[in-house]
Amino acid sequence: NAGVTQTPKFRVLKTGQSMTLLCAQDMNHEYMYWYRQDPGMGLRLIHYSVGEGTTAKGEVPDGYNVSRLKKQNFLLGLESAAPSQTSVYFCASSPQGWTETQYFGPGTRLLVL
Amino acid sequence: DQQVKQNSPSLSVQEGRISILNCDYTNSMFDYFLWYKKYPAEGPTFLISISSIKDKNEDGRFTVFLNKSAKHLSLHIVPSQPGDSAVYFCAASAGNNNDMRFGAGTRLTVKP
Repeated sequence: NAGVTQTPKFRVLKTGQSMTLLCAQDMNHEYMYWYRQDPGMGLRLIHYSVGEGTTAKGEVPDGYNVSRLKKQNFLLGLESAAPSQTSVYFCASSPQGWTETQYFGPGTRLLVL
Repeated sequence: DQQVKQNSPSLSVQEGRISILNCDYTNSMFDYFLWYKKYPAEGPTFLISISSIKDKNEDGRFTVFLNKSAKHLSLHIVPSQPGDSAVYFCAASAGNNNDMRFGAGTRLTVKP
């Protein structure tokens, strides 16, 4: 089992460019999440999904869009990147619900110039 | 607003001694609490959790204590080992609200 994988590991963007971060899990989990980690802020929830075809906003959704077309994949899109989106992005999944352990990917480091 | 706070950015302890990491929360709706451990360049990994119906949960060297009246929880590591050196995140969820909040983390260094 690979667990949760994220692609790419590192990316540099210019302001205004777009990109998609891919998260894949092979544990057949229903719930998937996207977080960002910034110094002094911990992890903040961007968007989440409670099953294939569903998405919902988290704490800091502005500037991001997500899609969950397949159960195993959760995509995070930045339509027009801004320097404030420079961060480390973590994807996670859990079997069911918020009171279960979340399994995290290794993270994607994004730098927006 | 930061609903989960870890007021100590760092903690240093000697190998074999106890490490105590603290976490405070403000939202009384939180009913499930977790601790995650993170090594550099890796994602967080689950360590231990506690439900609001309990005040203590133990797993080997790790014990989490919950004081609901004070809205405070703590993670005790006994004895501390150099391999425990990592960043520890406290997290809280209010299951019915579909939300999970993390603290800013505490960097633990265990010296040999």
